[in-house]
Amino acid sequence: AQSVAQPEDQVNVAEGNPLTVKCTYSVSGNPYLFWYVQYPNRGLQFLLKYITGDNLVKGSYGFEAEFNKSQTSFHLKKPSALVSDSALYFCAVRANTGGFKTIFGAGTRLFVKA
Amino acid sequence: EPEVTQTPSHQVTQMGQEVILRCVPISNHLYFYWYRQILGQKVEFLVSFYNNEISEKSEIFDDQFSVERPDGSNFTLKIRSTKLEDSAMYFCASSPFSGGAYEQYFGPGTRLTVT
Repeated sequence: AQSVAQPEDQVNVAEGNPLTVKCTYSVSGNPYLFWYVQYPNRGLQFLLKYITGDNLVKGSYGFEAEFNKSQTSFHLKKPSALVSDSALYFCAVRANTGGFKTIFGAGTRLFVKA
Repeated sequence: EPEVTQTPSHQVTQMGQEVILRCVPISNHLYFYWYRQILGQKVEFLVSFYNNEISEKSEIFDDQFSVERPDGSNFTLKIRSTKLEDSAMYFCASSPFSGGAYEQYFGPGTRLTVT
């Protein structure tokens, strides 16, 4: 069965410092991996995805994520955090077996302090 | 930039009543989804829909739920007899292409409160 784990409920970081939001997954076959962000009273917004190829993927707002197959991880990173990055971040996975179902992690709340 | 829209933003209903949540997906998208998020919990897949039929549904999507695309623009989720545990934020999403490689575009959600 597919699953996603985000081990941290909350991540606190100072503005200007690098940030990492962790995600590990379990899926049969090769995964399609996604990060979404949710701001208050808004729907989920797509940030980036890994489908195949380069393990480091770049996305919106300066975010990037590193796919590590041996560790089944897909951590979200940003070199320099902004206060405006404060939001709820969801990791998601789909198996590339033809299904449409997306499985989301529980979410990690990111607080960036000025 | 085109967006997925949802109405109403907040719906309050009494237990046992029927509710219809409405979504307008992005106009050239072909694949439609409903998800729900119970307060403080994870986003859960309910159903996917393509070519006027359900493609996949979760165990949550039981007989009290149904989806419909009544015209060329709207995509609806009906809950026939609401229960207290149906209280959640319901998100509609759409994507232009098939397959797991494509990201989904989410609406702002409808907060359903069942009293």
